[in-house]
Amino acid sequence: KAGVTQTPRYLIKTRGQQVTLSCSPISGHRSVSWYQQTPGQGLQFLFEYFSETQRNKGNFPGRFSGRQFSNSRSEMNVSTLELGDSALYLCASSLATGARDEQYFGPGTRLTVT
Amino acid sequence: GNSVTQMEGPVTLSEEAFLTINCTYTATGYPSLFWYVQYPGEGLQLLLKATKADDKGSNKGFEATYRKETTSFHLEKGSVQVSDSAVYFCALSDPLNTGTASKLTFGTGTRLQVTL
Repeated sequence: KAGVTQTPRYLIKTRGQQVTLSCSPISGHRSVSWYQQTPGQGLQFLFEYFSETQRNKGNFPGRFSGRQFSNSRSEMNVSTLELGDSALYLCASSLATGARDEQYFGPGTRLTVT
Repeated sequence: GNSVTQMEGPVTLSEEAFLTINCTYTATGYPSLFWYVQYPGEGLQLLLKATKADDKGSNKGFEATYRKETTSFHLEKGSVQVSDSAVYFCALSDPLNTGTASKLTFGTGTRLQVTL
């Protein structure tokens, strides 16, 4: 079974631009979550999508947004990029069957903002 | 709120040495506990998990026991290999508190380096 895939793997953007990252979950998985990983802040939860609806949200500004499509694929968008947005963005998927779900992570998209 | 505290790294061990990475947690609900491993340039891989008190998770020679009385989930391996060199993250999921099992709270990670 194919794992979680993320595209692109690497991205370089300039301050003020916007960016869209894509995540394809494991087949059959209905929940997709996004995390930001930085050396200073570690791994932080951005948001979760389930059945095309945002189900939970972390403490990030409104510049960070996402969506989920009917096939469970998800995108996240960051507008008006800042230098501090440089990070590894990880996507995770799960079956979303209950409280004991396991999250399976993709390889991440490394975003560099210059 | 929920939090996870891991021992500071890096941890440097010789091959075949015994490994312990400490992890303690704070949660208001009944969390599930996880260990994830991250190899250089890669995402996170689930190493093991435990979903209730006294459960022992195990995988690839690694073990961790969910200790509710000490709020701990320490990772152990009896004999490490060079290929175990990676960053290890302790994490918890507390759906009764956060409304979803998909929101993981992570520790800061512990880098393990194993030398010959």
